[in-house]
Amino acid sequence: EIVLTQSPGTLSLSPGERATLSCRASQSVSSTYLAWYQQKPGQPPSLLIYGASSRATGIPDRFSGSGSGTDFTLTISRLEPEDFAVYYCQHYGSSLWTFGQGTKVEVK
Amino acid sequence: QVQLQESGPGLVKPSQTLSLTCTVSGGSISSGGYYWTWLRQHPGKGLEWIGYIYYSGSTYYNPSLKSRVTISVDTSKTEFSLRLTSVTAADTAVYYCARDLGSPYFGMDVWGQGTTVTVSS
Repeated sequence: EIVLTQSPGTLSLSPGERATLSCRASQSVSSTYLAWYQQKPGQPPSLLIYGASSRATGIPDRFSGSGSGTDFTLTISRLEPEDFAVYYCQHYGSSLWTFGQGTKVEVK
Repeated sequence: QVQLQESGPGLVKPSQTLSLTCTVSGGSISSGGYYWTWLRQHPGKGLEWIGYIYYSGSTYYNPSLKSRVTISVDTSKTEFSLRLTSVTAADTAVYYCARDLGSPYFGMDVWGQGTTVTVSS
């Protein structure tokens, strides 16, 4: 089973700053099957990125995904107030979905 | 626009069976291509995938829960369901249903609001 490790656990930044979130897989995975989600308190997650770099419908272009193999990155170019939330990476493989443990982006 | 809504009891006694239903509106489970999925989130924790059902009825479950989980679909009623047997306090969580895009790209683009299930006597 592939394990996804996200870092850092918490990222303290100010609005307008750039956020870089990491997701590392325990073994090489296909970027086709790598997704990112945002979750705000009391809400379900929402899909941001699929296929490692494709933005889901309605997602602003300040969100971008990149990476391949074992290392993937979610970048938020300029943090807006509504971007402070928890972010999860997810992988689909061998008919299983696994999630990283999440990165919390908080206001500094 | 497809929407999902979970329903079911919020309190289940230990050793009993947890049963939840996800109602699909604005679309059809039978349209194909999607994986209709259940997930859960323990209090203050991350996300755990439980399993999925394809419109054809094929299913796949998280190996850690496989012996206790059944997911079924009723396409005529546009709903799919989760049964989790022999529950314990460790099954206390928010349960979500979601639609996964399926091949070639996977990602859950539609989610229900979630329903909280507490296992307690």
